Amino acid sequence: GESVGLHLPTLSVQEGDNSIINCAYSNSASDYFIWYKQESGKGPQFIIDIRSNMDKRQGQRVTVLLNKTVKHLSLQIAATQPGDSAVYFCAEPSGTYKYIFGTGTRLKVLA
Amino acid sequence: DTAVSQTPKYLVTQMGNDKSIKCEQNLGHDTMYWYKQDSKKFLKIMFSYNNKELIINETVPNRFSPKSPDKAHLNLHINSLELGDSAVYFCASSQSGGTEEQYFGPGTRLTVT
Repeated sequence: GESVGLHLPTLSVQEGDNSIINCAYSNSASDYFIWYKQESGKGPQFIIDIRSNMDKRQGQRVTVLLNKTVKHLSLQIAATQPGDSAVYFCAEPSGTYKYIFGTGTRLKVLA
Repeated sequence: DTAVSQTPKYLVTQMGNDKSIKCEQNLGHDTMYWYKQDSKKFLKIMFSYNNKELIINETVPNRFSPKSPDKAHLNLHINSLELGDSAVYFCASSQSGGTEEQYFGPGTRLTVT
């Protein structure tokens, strides 16, 4: 099913700490997931993706974990910096030519 | 160089007016999209086009009419604007419409008064 935006969850993290942003997805048949970062006044920007044949994928300071058993996705950001402050979305395809986005999580980095 | 561009960035208009938002991508992608983002940041797909052909129309009122003159452009025309149309509209593109990342434009903030 589609996510319903009730309110935007916020995660506040001290600069230098690690951040973990969670996402629950709905379709157990989904085989691909993306994380996007949306800074204030800008469009979403690709961070990292993962296919369902993997449990973990690492990028530069970011790691995505996929738990297919509980349909859960997480984005871990190491040594969080002020520039990481943004809204983060997970997205999954719904057939071709269509993606379903999660409700988003606002990450606030505290100095 | 901007990959996906939209104009205008801001649009303020009165109820009942007709307005258009333009989108262009210079990535050579086959697929383009329009999304609506509400005040709670919820991002919802409106339309998908592949090679100028409409593929997805996500139960959008027919006051919204997208037009794709070529693969690189997808414009959005909105007739008889309503207060509820106020939102940020994002254009995006992707290579083929499959399991791949999308590239988003900077958004157009539409305010209907």
